[in-house]
Amino acid sequence: EIVLAQFPATLSLSPGERGTLSCRASQSIGNSLAWYQQKPGQPPRLLIYDASSRATGIPARFSGSGSGTDFTLTISSLELEDFAVYYCQQRSNWPPLTFGGGTRVEIK
Amino acid sequence: QVRLQESGPGLVKPSETLSLTCTVSGGSISDRNWWGWVRQPPGKGLEWIAEISRTGTSYYNPSLMSRLTISLDKSKNQFSLKLNSVTAADTAVYYCARGIGAADYWGQGTLVTVSS
Repeated sequence: EIVLAQFPATLSLSPGERGTLSCRASQSIGNSLAWYQQKPGQPPRLLIYDASSRATGIPARFSGSGSGTDFTLTISSLELEDFAVYYCQQRSNWPPLTFGGGTRVEIK
Repeated sequence: QVRLQESGPGLVKPSETLSLTCTVSGGSISDRNWWGWVRQPPGKGLEWIAEISRTGTSYYNPSLMSRLTISLDKSKNQFSLKLNSVTAADTAVYYCARGIGAADYWGQGTLVTVSS
């Protein structure tokens, strides 16, 4: 099973700042990684697939990069609605599909 | 606009079977290759449960596989999940979703509590 480690667990930032979230896989997964955003009481929302492709309707301030074992989700300038929990998920070697433990982006 | 809606009992007794159905509207279940289930225990992260293809091929989380059945009913545009011998550890919000590893549509989720 591929384990995904997300760090930091919590990121405290102010609106307008840049947010950098990391996801590291226990073995190479190519570019088979997705990022999701989840707000309280809501289902996850797909942001990025195939490591760097933005999903439909996702603002350009969200970008993904990386391949192999190290991946990054960057939010170029945080807006109030971006404060949420972010999860990475791999689909390279499955079953099982696996998620990272999440990064909480909170208002500083 | 594709919509997914979970349905099923919100309370299940220990050792019994949890049964959930996901109804797809705004599109055909045959339009996409894969449909699946994810769960989230209260206050915790996401766990993938199972996935089924439009042709009926299924894959299960190995940690749950012995208790799981996923099925598809194209005539009703639905897919379903059964998890037997439930315990308190199966208490979670259960989501249905479209896609493998890049799920672009999700249901709103349904809380299932396992308790006597």
